[in-house]
Amino acid sequence: KNQVEQSPQSLIILEGKNCTLQCNYTVSPFSNLRWYKQDTGRGPVSLTIMTFSENTKSNGRYTATLDADTKQSSLHITASQLSDSASYICVVSAYFSGGYNKLIFGAGTRLAVHP
Amino acid sequence: DGGITQSPKYLFRKEGQNVTLSCEQNLNHDAMYWYRQDPGQGLRLIYYSQIVNDFQKGDIAEGYSVSREKKESFPLTVTSAQKNPTAFYLCASSITGGDHTYEQYFGPGTRLTVT
Repeated sequence: KNQVEQSPQSLIILEGKNCTLQCNYTVSPFSNLRWYKQDTGRGPVSLTIMTFSENTKSNGRYTATLDADTKQSSLHITASQLSDSASYICVVSAYFSGGYNKLIFGAGTRLAVHP
Repeated sequence: DGGITQSPKYLFRKEGQNVTLSCEQNLNHDAMYWYRQDPGQGLRLIYYSQIVNDFQKGDIAEGYSVSREKKESFPLTVTSAQKNPTAFYLCASSITGGDHTYEQYFGPGTRLTVT
């Protein structure tokens, strides 16, 4: 069964600290892995997309890693800011013929950054 | 939220009434998607459309209907047959074909409450 599991469910950190969010998946056939940021009551916004051959990708203070062998990914946030408070969603894409990518969404990690 | 708009942001309906959620995009994307988001769960695909006048059921299509008469528009109707319609509904769009790492861009969402 295609599944994406994220940990922790929620996390509280102090402003300026670093944190790492985890994502484990059992999705086949794997196409790519994405991390999204979702502010409360808004739509998700893409942070990174990684294909099978990529093992790290950065977007400003966000760095995602991918280990396709162990089917694990992490999202590292450096020097957190209050605006980083949001849910972070790991999404794994399974490729099917006809050009359609099915996205399997994790439940997200809710991050709260406190001053 | 890019070039995708959803309206209204909040919607209240009585049980037994059908309701239609609007989704419009000006990104010239061929593909459009409807997702449902419930607390503590990942997004689940309701319907998707890869081209005008064609759409396919997602994982939880029962109690929902869609149409795709124009490239820019993909309205979702929540019918009275949907047993648990209260949720946050997200529309997304993307290009199709060739590059399977293409991004899905999400709208701001509509929160539907049925009492």
